[in-house]
Amino acid sequence: AQSVTQPDIHITVSEGASLELRCNYSYGATPYLFWYVQSPGQGLQLLLKYFSGDTLVQGIKGFEAEFKRSQSSFNLRKPSVHWSDAAEYFCAVGSLRDYKLSFGAGTTVTVRA
Amino acid sequence: DAGITQSPRHKVTETGTPVTLRCHQTENHRYMYWYRQDPGHGLRLIHYSYGVKDTDKGEVSDGYSVSRSKTEDFLLTLESATSSQTSVYFCAISNTGIHAGELFFGEGSRLTVL
Repeated sequence: AQSVTQPDIHITVSEGASLELRCNYSYGATPYLFWYVQSPGQGLQLLLKYFSGDTLVQGIKGFEAEFKRSQSSFNLRKPSVHWSDAAEYFCAVGSLRDYKLSFGAGTTVTVRA
Repeated sequence: DAGITQSPRHKVTETGTPVTLRCHQTENHRYMYWYRQDPGHGLRLIHYSYGVKDTDKGEVSDGYSVSRSKTEDFLLTLESATSSQTSVYFCAISNTGIHAGELFFGEGSRLTVL
């Protein structure tokens, strides 16, 4: 069965500093990988996705993620965080055989001035 | 924004009562999903649908049933609500499953079972 682990429950970062959120997945087939963001009281919004090809993918809001097959990881990064990036971030995995996604438990990001 | 409407957005009910949550879409997407969100668990799939009258169970389907009699509506029913079903429920839709696209999420329905 597919699964996703986000090791960090909560991260606090200063505005302007860099951010990296970790995601490790477990899946037997070639995974499709996603990062979603959820602002308070809102639904989830897709930040970026990886299906194949270039292992460094660019997303919206200045985010990027790198797929590392050898480490079963898909970490999310942003070079300079803005206060509006405070939110909860979810990594998700699926595959060509599935109609559904499995989500990690999420990482809450707090941005301090 | 994808046209997804969840109703009700907030509901408080008592243990043992039936509850139905409705997801309505205007996108004509084939796939629809119900997830629940709980602290420390992220989103967990309850049931999903890959077409009218075609549904399947997710990882936490016990105590829930679903129905999809037309493309635009996907209903989630708790036959006899329990306190463990207190959660935020999200509906999501997709045109292609996850094969080539993304899930679009509704704004959630917060259910409290007393």
